[in-house]
Amino acid sequence: GQQLNQSPQSMFIQEGEDVSMNCTSSSIFNTWLWYKQDPGEGPVLLIALYKAGELTSNGRLTAQFGITRKDSFLNISASIPSDVGIYFCAGQAGGGADGLTFGKGTHLIIQP
Amino acid sequence: ETGVTQTPRHLVMGMTNKKSLKCEQHLGHNAMYWYKQSAKKPLELMFVYSLEERVENNSVPSRFSPECPNSSHLFLHLHTLQPEDSALYLCASSQTTRPGDTQYFGPGTRLTVL
Repeated sequence: GQQLNQSPQSMFIQEGEDVSMNCTSSSIFNTWLWYKQDPGEGPVLLIALYKAGELTSNGRLTAQFGITRKDSFLNISASIPSDVGIYFCAGQAGGGADGLTFGKGTHLIIQP
Repeated sequence: ETGVTQTPRHLVMGMTNKKSLKCEQHLGHNAMYWYKQSAKKPLELMFVYSLEERVENNSVPSRFSPECPNSSHLFLHLHTLQPEDSALYLCASSQTTRPGDTQYFGPGTRLTVL
């Protein structure tokens, strides 16, 4: 089946630093999504990308849909304590009946 | 609050028990999904329902039995589970199953099988 390689697995940063994480795939996706999951909660959608090359921002978050349709990155600028959590990329090759293929997540930890 | 609710939030059951997980969406969506999230593994799709009909069963063991009585409700009936079935079970919904329709997740049910 399809797999997504998400990196890094975890990040330890200082408050105020910028963060960058990415996902790569061996196969093409037509939709890329970035979710954040807090402990004990379900994933919450941050950014959705629908076109190759698309660059989309949501506040301090910016994500891009790679030109090859096999990768995507998420940047967080000027991190704050509430950014702590696990960030997941997800790709969708076709319609929802195919479900989403998720990466293993990037655990973001902010050190005081 | 994403508009998708799940009950119970936590469930502990023995291997011989029968229990059910419930999901309700208040978004007017027509597609609903069950995912399993185990430690150290990516979220895995289990079932997809579109307009109350199952359109995908991702090779899930028969001890998991989904039910979608209407477009707002989705159940996952559990019986004779194994300890390795312990996980966070997430429900999601989307407007349709067409490409580009975003899936919104509920908070999940944390299931522990003893």
